Amino acid sequence: EPEVTQTPSHQVTQMGQEVILRCVPISNHLYFYWYRQILGQKVEFLVSFYNNEISEKSEIFDDRFSVERPDGSNFTLKIRSTKLEDSAMYFCASSEQGHDSPLHFGNGTRLTVT
Amino acid sequence: GENVEQHPSTLSVQEGDSAVIKCTYSDSASNYFPWYKQELGKGPQLIIDIRSNVGEKKDQRIAVTLNKTAKHFSLHITETQPEDSAVYFCAARNSGGGADGLTFGKGTHLIIQP
Repeated sequence: EPEVTQTPSHQVTQMGQEVILRCVPISNHLYFYWYRQILGQKVEFLVSFYNNEISEKSEIFDDRFSVERPDGSNFTLKIRSTKLEDSAMYFCASSEQGHDSPLHFGNGTRLTVT
Repeated sequence: GENVEQHPSTLSVQEGDSAVIKCTYSDSASNYFPWYKQELGKGPQLIIDIRSNVGEKKDQRIAVTLNKTAKHFSLHITETQPEDSAVYFCAARNSGGGADGLTFGKGTHLIIQP
């Protein structure tokens, strides 16, 4: 069964640095998402992306965050000027037809900001 | 925005017994309600979903019920097995608009006692 893959599985960075989290969505999916989960808490929506542009974003997704689909397969989340509170598990997801169709999540990247 | 409350936070049942997890939502315009299972070290995996035009949906040992009037929905797992042990998240979404994506509950840690 096709799956969403994320790299790296764990990223450690110093506060103030920039990180890029990478995702390869399922190949025939058109909608892409980033969610995050702070340890022990609920999964929170960050951003959705369709047709090469952001379609929705939450308050968490401030101007330090950006997303990009640099080629036909990768979907990246960049966080600039990282803060301690950015430490979380970041999940990429994709779906065929938007949020009403099943979202397929990757296994996540654990980001630790020190 | 939408707010989803989920109970209980931890549920321990004997193998073979049934488990019920309950969620309430605040936005009466929400119309899509998925349930996700998250195993340790993995991303959330969709197990069942329901739309607001139906009151119940079943898939083998798993069923979901929706009460739009009361704005609550529940996950029912019958004949529980050890592999059902995981964290379960409910979520809600208003597909007609809004910028919050899926709103998740805080999760229920289901423990199946052998």
